[in-house]
Amino acid sequence: NAGVTQTPKFRVLKTGQSMTLLCAQDMNHEYMYWYRQDPGMGLRLIHYSVGEGTTAKGEVPDGYNVSRLKKQNFLLGLESAAPSQTSVYFCASSASGRAVVYNEQFFGPGTRLTVL
Amino acid sequence: AQSVTQLGSHVSVSEGALVLLRCNYSSSVPPYLFWYVQYPNQGLQLLLKYTTGATLVKGINGFEAEFKKSETSFHLTKPSAHMSDAAEYFCAVSVPFGNEKLTFGTGTRLTIIP
Repeated sequence: NAGVTQTPKFRVLKTGQSMTLLCAQDMNHEYMYWYRQDPGMGLRLIHYSVGEGTTAKGEVPDGYNVSRLKKQNFLLGLESAAPSQTSVYFCASSASGRAVVYNEQFFGPGTRLTVL
Repeated sequence: AQSVTQLGSHVSVSEGALVLLRCNYSSSVPPYLFWYVQYPNQGLQLLLKYTTGATLVKGINGFEAEFKKSETSFHLTKPSAHMSDAAEYFCAVSVPFGNEKLTFGTGTRLTIIP
C-alpha cells in the first residue's frame, strides 16, 4: 500500500514552460486535493475533486488546471509557468465524507517546483 | 468562511519542557479542527482531530488538544518535549458537509533545545 504518491519530486522550469504534476492514490479514495505550500502562508487549496470526472476550484486556482480522468489519479497542470508558481505542491486524498463524520486527508511527499 | 490563526511562527522549548502551540479559529458553524505535523522534506501527517463529543482529544506521540468553544481555541500541548518533536505544526479547520476542505493556519515551527 503506497498511499499517496507524487511525480516528480523536484522540477525546475523556465518561465512560460508547461508541465504536469501527477498524483496517484491506491486507497480507493473519492476526494483528492492539490495544495501549494509557501513560507509563512501555510497550505492553500488550488483545486479539488469529489469524484472521478469532477473538479472544482479552491482558494488559489489561477494559472492551474486539473483533471481527474481516473479515480486514482489527479493531475495538476501549469500551462505557462511563472516565477510566482515556485512552491512546494502537495496532493492529498480522503474517503467520501457521507458515511462518517470526517475522513482524514492523507498527504503525498510533495513536489518542489522552481520557476526561473 | 472559516479561518485559523496560529500565534507564533517559531517556538523553542527545552527538551523535557511543556510544549504549547496556539491555534484560534473562526467559523460560522461548529467546526472540525485538526493538528497536522510536517517533518522536514515530508508531507503532512495527522496528529489529532476534533469533530464532535469529548473536547479533549489525544493524538499520536503524546500530543493532545482541547477544543474551547468560548475561547474559539484549539491549542496543542505535550507535557514533555522530545528531540523528535522538532517539526512544523499546522492547525486546520473544516466545516461539516464542506467536502472535507481544510483551511490551514500559517504553521508553527517547533525547535527543541537539548
